[in-house]
Amino acid sequence: DAGVTQSPTHLIKTRGQQVTLRCSPKSGHDTVSWYQQALGQGPQFIFQYYEEEERQRGNFPDRFSGHQFPNYSSELNVNALLLGDSALYLCASSLTGTRNTGELFFGEGSRLTVL
Amino acid sequence: GNSVTQMEGPVTLSEEAFLTINCTYTATGYPSLFWYVQYPGEGLQLLLKATKADDKGSNKGFEATYRKETTSFHLEKGSVQVSDSAVYFCALPSGTYKYIFGTGTRLKVLA
Repeated sequence: DAGVTQSPTHLIKTRGQQVTLRCSPKSGHDTVSWYQQALGQGPQFIFQYYEEEERQRGNFPDRFSGHQFPNYSSELNVNALLLGDSALYLCASSLTGTRNTGELFFGEGSRLTVL
Repeated sequence: GNSVTQMEGPVTLSEEAFLTINCTYTATGYPSLFWYVQYPGEGLQLLLKATKADDKGSNKGFEATYRKETTSFHLEKGSVQVSDSAVYFCALPSGTYKYIFGTGTRLKVLA
């Protein structure tokens, strides 16, 4: 049973560049959420995707955008990178509706460093 | 909105010591409460949860009781092991889709 997989695991970008992070949810899961975890902090909700639509967004600027594909995998895009975007980006998958146990299943994250 | 406050770390204990990590919350209604653990180099994984007041969640020797009177969900373990060294996060839902996490408490257990 494949868990949540994310790529790349590490990447370095410079200010102003754009980045795309990818996530494959746990087998059977239909919902993907993205979280930003700054060093020494807890994860902060960016947004959630279900049925290829953004269902809810956290307090993040429009530079952060996403996409969900028909196979439930997802991408997180960040444009015009700032130094403050350096963080661990976590993808979490879950189920929706009556199958939802409330548990989030996290990948190991993509660590982004912006120089 | 809902919020969670977690005791700051790091917490350093000797093996077999008793562990308590405090977590208090502010919430509308009585949402489910969660503890997640993050081992070095890994993503978060669910440690335990409680879905209603007075429920006790337990897993791997860890326990936490949902106390609505004190709005708390403290994590405890009677005898920690070196392998318990990790960062622990208290969490609760805020709305239908979003989860709020505490800032995390780093635990280091010494042999």
